[in-house]
Amino acid sequence: QKEVEQNSGPLSVPEGAIASLNCTYSDRVSQSFFWYRQYSGKSPELIMSIYSNGDKEDGRFTAQLNKASQYVSLLIRDSQPSDSATYLCAVNGDDKIIFGKGTRLHILP
Amino acid sequence: ETGVTQTPRHLVMGMTNKKSLKCEQHLGHNAMYWYKQSAKKPLELMFVYNFKEQTENNSVPSRFSPECPNSSHLFLHLHTLQPEDSALYLCASNREGQLNYGYTFGSGTRLTVV
Repeated sequence: QKEVEQNSGPLSVPEGAIASLNCTYSDRVSQSFFWYRQYSGKSPELIMSIYSNGDKEDGRFTAQLNKASQYVSLLIRDSQPSDSATYLCAVNGDDKIIFGKGTRLHILP
Repeated sequence: ETGVTQTPRHLVMGMTNKKSLKCEQHLGHNAMYWYKQSAKKPLELMFVYNFKEQTENNSVPSRFSPECPNSSHLFLHLHTLQPEDSALYLCASNREGQLNYGYTFGSGTRLTVV
């Protein structure tokens, strides 16, 4: 059973600080890794994808991948109240994408 | 809009009703998915269609019946539902064999069974 594990949170971070979200996955052959953001009552929105070891930056977001440790993370710099949401880590499987349960992030004004 | 359109956005139905959820995408994708998301619970994969063929049914009760007439349209037919079926139903799509681009989700249908 291929799995994606995340801490469900909530993770509370002061406004302006760095939010760090973590994820581990079980399938060593996975090649594509994603972070989705989901606001309450809304559908998931793809915000980052990463395929190679190392860091990938997009604005205030940085995704980090370590395939040897089977670990993916998302850093959000200068956290804003609008970043408060559930963040879903996802990994490609054979014929579908496998989602973690999500981490709830609260940015404290 | 993401390119994946779900209708209706909200649906309230009685346990004896029959209704259908519709999903339509104009992204040129050929794989489509139904997910269920109950309150404060993770995404649950229900059905997978690749090139109109159902390739996965995740032990979903028969009161949920999917239909995929072509690669652009996906339906979820509902009958004799239970209150615990109340949830957000999400449709997603991608190009078969291109999971590296991730899924595109529709806005979802918020279903309430009374």
